[in-house]
Amino acid sequence: QKEVEQNSGPLSVPEGAIASLNCTYSDRGSQSFFWYRQYSGKSPELIMFIYSNGDKEDGRFTAQLNKASQYVSLLIRDSQPSDSATYLCAVNWSSNTGKLIFGQGTTLQVKP
Amino acid sequence: NAGVTQTPKFQVLKTGQSMTLQCAQDMNHNSMYWYRQDPGMGLRLIYYSASEGTTDKGEVPNGYNVSRLNKREFSLRLESAAPSQTSVYFCASRQARENTEAFFGQGTRLTVV
Repeated sequence: QKEVEQNSGPLSVPEGAIASLNCTYSDRGSQSFFWYRQYSGKSPELIMFIYSNGDKEDGRFTAQLNKASQYVSLLIRDSQPSDSATYLCAVNWSSNTGKLIFGQGTTLQVKP
Repeated sequence: NAGVTQTPKFQVLKTGQSMTLQCAQDMNHNSMYWYRQDPGMGLRLIYYSASEGTTDKGEVPNGYNVSRLNKREFSLRLESAAPSQTSVYFCASRQARENTEAFFGQGTRLTVV
Protein backbone atom coordinates (compact mmCIF):
# COMPACT_ATOMS: atom_id res chain seq x y z
CA GLN A 1 0.00 0.00 0.00
CA LYS A 2 1.34 3.39 -0.98
CA GLU A 3 1.83 5.92 1.76
CA VAL A 4 -0.19 8.49 -0.18
CA GLU A 5 -3.18 7.16 -2.07
CA GLN A 6 -5.19 8.74 -4.86
CA ASN A 7 -7.76 7.32 -7.23
CA SER A 8 -5.91 7.24 -10.56
CA GLY A 9 -9.11 7.86 -12.55
CA PRO A 10 -9.69 9.08 -15.13
CA LEU A 11 -12.26 11.38 -13.58
CA SER A 12 -14.47 12.84 -16.27
CA VAL A 13 -16.66 15.90 -15.63
CA PRO A 14 -18.58 18.22 -17.97
CA GLU A 15 -17.45 21.80 -18.42
CA GLY A 16 -18.77 24.02 -15.66
CA ALA A 17 -19.16 21.21 -13.14
CA ILE A 18 -17.32 20.72 -9.84
CA ALA A 19 -14.45 18.24 -9.90
CA SER A 20 -13.60 16.55 -6.60
CA LEU A 21 -10.19 14.96 -6.15
CA ASN A 22 -9.31 12.95 -3.07
CA CYS A 23 -6.16 11.87 -1.28
CA THR A 24 -5.47 9.81 1.84
CA TYR A 25 -2.17 9.42 3.66
CA SER A 26 -0.89 7.00 6.27
CA ASP A 27 1.43 9.11 8.45
CA ARG A 28 -0.33 10.82 11.36
CA GLY A 29 2.72 13.01 11.89
CA SER A 30 2.34 14.78 8.56
CA GLN A 31 1.55 18.45 8.88
CA SER A 32 1.50 20.04 5.44
CA PHE A 33 -0.07 18.99 2.16
CA PHE A 34 0.23 20.14 -1.42
CA TRP A 35 -1.72 19.85 -4.65
CA TYR A 36 0.20 19.93 -7.93
CA ARG A 37 -1.08 19.95 -11.48
CA GLN A 38 0.84 18.25 -14.27
CA TYR A 39 0.06 18.60 -17.94
CA SER A 40 1.15 15.78 -20.23
CA GLY A 41 4.87 15.95 -20.92
CA LYS A 42 5.41 18.81 -18.49
CA SER A 43 6.72 19.23 -14.94
CA PRO A 44 4.38 19.45 -11.93
CA GLU A 45 3.28 22.93 -10.83
CA LEU A 46 1.91 23.89 -7.44
CA ILE A 47 -1.78 24.77 -7.20
CA MET A 48 -1.98 25.29 -3.47
CA PHE A 49 -0.94 23.96 -0.08
CA ILE A 50 -2.83 23.49 3.17
CA TYR A 51 -1.72 22.75 6.73
CA SER A 52 -4.70 23.60 8.94
CA ASN A 53 -7.85 21.53 9.28
CA GLY A 54 -10.74 22.90 7.27
CA ASP A 55 -11.00 24.63 3.91
CA LYS A 56 -8.65 26.91 2.04
CA GLU A 57 -9.86 28.70 -1.07
CA ASP A 58 -7.88 30.18 -3.95
CA GLY A 59 -9.98 31.29 -6.89
CA ARG A 60 -11.79 28.28 -8.36
CA PHE A 61 -9.79 25.88 -6.18
CA THR A 62 -10.59 24.78 -2.64
CA ALA A 63 -8.38 22.46 -0.62
CA GLN A 64 -9.91 20.61 2.32
CA LEU A 65 -7.96 18.92 5.12
CA ASN A 66 -9.10 16.53 7.83
CA LYS A 67 -6.10 15.35 9.83
CA ALA A 68 -8.16 13.07 12.08
CA SER A 69 -9.32 11.13 9.02
CA GLN A 70 -5.95 11.57 7.26
CA TYR A 71 -7.71 12.93 4.23
CA VAL A 72 -7.11 15.87 1.94
CA SER A 73 -9.16 16.88 -1.08
CA LEU A 74 -9.20 19.41 -3.89
CA LEU A 75 -12.36 20.88 -5.37
CA ILE A 76 -12.29 22.63 -8.72
CA ARG A 77 -15.35 24.77 -9.35
CA ASP A 78 -16.57 25.75 -12.82
CA SER A 79 -14.24 23.21 -14.42
CA GLN A 80 -12.74 24.20 -17.76
CA PRO A 81 -11.24 22.05 -20.52
CA SER A 82 -7.89 23.68 -19.66
CA ASP A 83 -8.12 22.01 -16.23
CA SER A 84 -7.69 18.62 -17.93
CA ALA A 85 -4.45 17.32 -16.43
CA THR A 86 -3.10 14.97 -13.79
CA TYR A 87 -3.46 16.21 -10.21
CA LEU A 88 -0.87 15.07 -7.71
CA CYS A 89 -1.27 15.11 -3.95
CA ALA A 90 1.96 15.55 -1.97
CA VAL A 91 2.53 15.10 1.74
CA ASN A 92 5.33 16.52 3.83
CA TRP A 93 6.20 13.31 5.65
CA SER A 94 6.51 13.47 9.44
CA SER A 95 7.22 16.97 10.57
CA ASN A 96 10.68 18.37 9.84
CA THR A 97 12.17 15.39 7.99
CA GLY A 98 12.08 17.22 4.67
CA LYS A 99 10.71 14.11 2.98
CA LEU A 100 8.03 14.92 0.37
CA ILE A 101 5.91 12.00 -0.82
CA PHE A 102 3.51 12.06 -3.78
CA GLY A 103 0.47 10.01 -4.60
CA GLN A 104 0.00 8.31 -7.95
CA GLY A 105 -2.07 11.18 -9.30
CA THR A 106 -5.63 11.50 -10.60
CA THR A 107 -6.22 12.21 -14.27
CA LEU A 108 -9.02 14.74 -14.78
CA GLN A 109 -10.82 15.13 -18.10
CA VAL A 110 -13.14 18.12 -18.51
CA LYS A 111 -15.41 17.64 -21.51
CA PRO A 112 -16.76 20.70 -23.40
CA ASN B 1 15.32 32.81 -14.02
CA ALA B 2 16.79 29.34 -14.48
CA GLY B 3 15.20 27.77 -11.36
CA VAL B 4 15.98 24.03 -11.42
CA THR B 5 18.05 22.79 -14.33
CA GLN B 6 18.47 19.13 -15.21
CA THR B 7 20.84 17.61 -17.74
CA PRO B 8 20.50 15.78 -20.02
CA LYS B 9 16.90 16.04 -21.24
CA PHE B 10 16.99 12.74 -23.08
CA GLN B 11 19.28 9.73 -22.79
CA VAL B 12 19.40 6.21 -24.17
CA LEU B 13 21.59 3.70 -22.34
CA LYS B 14 22.43 0.09 -22.91
CA THR B 15 21.85 -2.36 -20.08
CA GLY B 16 24.83 -2.31 -17.74
CA GLN B 17 26.06 1.16 -18.69
CA SER B 18 26.43 3.85 -16.06
CA MET B 19 25.49 7.49 -16.12
CA THR B 20 24.95 10.51 -13.90
CA LEU B 21 21.97 12.83 -14.05
CA GLN B 22 22.85 16.36 -13.06
CA CYS B 23 20.63 18.85 -11.23
CA ALA B 24 21.38 22.42 -10.20
CA GLN B 25 19.19 25.09 -8.60
CA ASP B 26 19.84 28.80 -8.30
CA MET B 27 17.17 29.63 -5.67
CA ASN B 28 19.39 29.05 -2.61
CA HIS B 29 17.17 26.18 -1.52
CA ASN B 30 18.26 23.83 1.23
CA SER B 31 16.37 20.70 0.20
CA MET B 32 16.68 18.79 -3.07
CA TYR B 33 14.93 15.69 -4.40
CA TRP B 34 15.10 13.06 -7.11
CA TYR B 35 11.87 11.41 -8.31
CA ARG B 36 11.02 8.98 -11.04
CA GLN B 37 7.70 8.96 -12.85
CA ASP B 38 6.28 5.91 -14.56
CA PRO B 39 2.82 5.67 -16.17
CA GLY B 40 0.10 5.42 -13.51
CA MET B 41 2.64 5.58 -10.66
CA GLY B 42 2.79 9.27 -9.92
CA LEU B 43 6.10 10.57 -8.60
CA ARG B 44 8.14 8.13 -6.53
CA LEU B 45 10.90 9.50 -4.33
CA ILE B 46 14.32 7.97 -5.01
CA TYR B 47 16.57 10.01 -2.71
CA TYR B 48 16.44 13.38 -1.08
CA SER B 49 18.78 15.80 0.61
CA ALA B 50 17.06 17.78 3.35
CA SER B 51 20.09 20.05 3.71
CA GLU B 52 23.61 20.36 2.36
CA GLY B 53 25.73 17.49 3.62
CA THR B 54 22.85 15.04 4.17
CA THR B 55 21.16 12.49 1.93
CA ASP B 56 18.42 9.98 2.70
CA LYS B 57 16.70 7.14 0.93
CA GLY B 58 13.22 7.59 -0.41
CA GLU B 59 10.67 5.04 -1.57
CA VAL B 60 12.65 3.41 -4.40
CA PRO B 61 16.42 3.87 -3.80
CA ASN B 62 17.69 0.51 -5.08
CA GLY B 63 19.99 0.80 -8.09
CA TYR B 64 20.75 4.49 -7.51
CA ASN B 65 23.26 6.63 -5.68
CA VAL B 66 23.27 10.36 -5.06
CA SER B 67 25.74 13.10 -4.25
CA ARG B 68 24.93 16.50 -2.78
CA LEU B 69 27.97 18.20 -4.26
CA ASN B 70 27.21 21.60 -2.70
CA LYS B 71 24.12 23.61 -1.88
CA ARG B 72 23.28 24.11 -5.56
CA GLU B 73 23.90 20.66 -7.02
CA PHE B 74 22.43 17.22 -6.44
CA SER B 75 23.36 14.38 -8.81
CA LEU B 76 21.80 10.96 -9.35
CA ARG B 77 23.96 8.06 -10.53
CA LEU B 78 22.96 4.80 -12.11
CA GLU B 79 25.92 2.45 -11.74
CA SER B 80 24.60 -0.39 -13.91
CA ALA B 81 21.47 0.59 -15.77
CA ALA B 82 18.60 -1.89 -16.11
CA PRO B 83 15.50 -1.76 -18.36
CA SER B 84 13.40 -1.33 -15.18
CA GLN B 85 15.04 2.07 -14.74
CA THR B 86 13.48 3.35 -17.96
CA SER B 87 11.50 6.33 -16.70
CA VAL B 88 11.19 10.09 -16.55
CA TYR B 89 13.35 11.52 -13.78
CA PHE B 90 12.56 14.80 -12.07
CA CYS B 91 14.75 16.84 -9.79
CA ALA B 92 13.10 19.27 -7.37
CA SER B 93 14.18 21.76 -4.74
CA ARG B 94 12.62 23.82 -1.97
CA GLN B 95 13.43 25.66 1.23
CA ALA B 96 13.66 23.50 4.31
CA ARG B 97 10.53 25.01 5.86
CA GLU B 98 7.58 22.64 5.71
CA ASN B 99 5.00 24.82 4.04
CA THR B 100 7.16 25.72 1.08
CA GLU B 101 6.64 24.82 -2.53
CA ALA B 102 8.88 22.38 -4.36
CA PHE B 103 10.07 23.57 -7.77
CA PHE B 104 10.75 21.02 -10.48
CA GLY B 105 13.20 20.72 -13.29
CA GLN B 106 12.03 19.93 -16.80
CA GLY B 107 12.71 16.22 -16.43
CA THR B 108 15.06 13.68 -18.02
CA ARG B 109 13.59 10.97 -20.20
CA LEU B 110 15.80 7.91 -19.80
CA THR B 111 15.47 4.75 -21.87
CA VAL B 112 17.50 1.65 -21.03
CA VAL B 113 17.63 -0.93 -23.82
